Amino acid sequence: NAGVTQTPKFQVLKTGQSMTLQCAQDMNHNSMYWYRQDPGMGLRLIYYSASEGTTDKGEVPNGYNVSRLNKREFSLRLESAAPSQTSVYFCASSEGAVSSYEQYFGPGTRLTVT
Amino acid sequence: EDKVVQSPLSLVVHEGDTVTLNCSYEVTNFRSLLWYKQEKKAPTFLFMLTSSGIEKKSGRLSSILDKKELFSILNITATQTGDSAIYLCAVESSASGTYKYIFGTGTRLKVLA
Repeated sequence: NAGVTQTPKFQVLKTGQSMTLQCAQDMNHNSMYWYRQDPGMGLRLIYYSASEGTTDKGEVPNGYNVSRLNKREFSLRLESAAPSQTSVYFCASSEGAVSSYEQYFGPGTRLTVT
Repeated sequence: EDKVVQSPLSLVVHEGDTVTLNCSYEVTNFRSLLWYKQEKKAPTFLFMLTSSGIEKKSGRLSSILDKKELFSILNITATQTGDSAIYLCAVESSASGTYKYIFGTGTRLKVLA
């Protein structure tokens, strides 16, 4: 089991460029999440997908879009990157729904927007 | 508005000391509280608590939840340099049939040899 994988690990963008962060999990989890982590801010939820076919906004969705491509994959798109989106992005998954389960995190993507 | 507050923000101790980290919360439809340890990269799971007063233990780490006073503590006894990390508290809440996690800002623990 690879767990939760994310690509790329590092990315530098210029302001206005677009890119998609990829996330996949092989644990047959129902729920998937995208977070950003900034110094002193903890993890803030951008979007989540409680189950295949559904997506919902989290705390800081502006400037992002997501796609739950299938049960395994959940991508995060920045349409027009801004310096304020410089951050470390984590994808996570959990079994979700009926009972409480812990989240499993991917290794993160460090994004710099210049 | 849902919120999770952790204290202290940072802590420096010496090996062998005991530390207590705090997490208080205000959320609608509480489901569970989780503790994670984050070293250089992704957070790794420590404990999940759903019931008040039941201590969870793993080696030198233990945690307990108080659902009446809306807080949890994470204790680490006989600290070691390998315990140096950011400790994150997250609360799972539900709304309209979906579930999400709200994280605190974390407590940065540094253990000196």
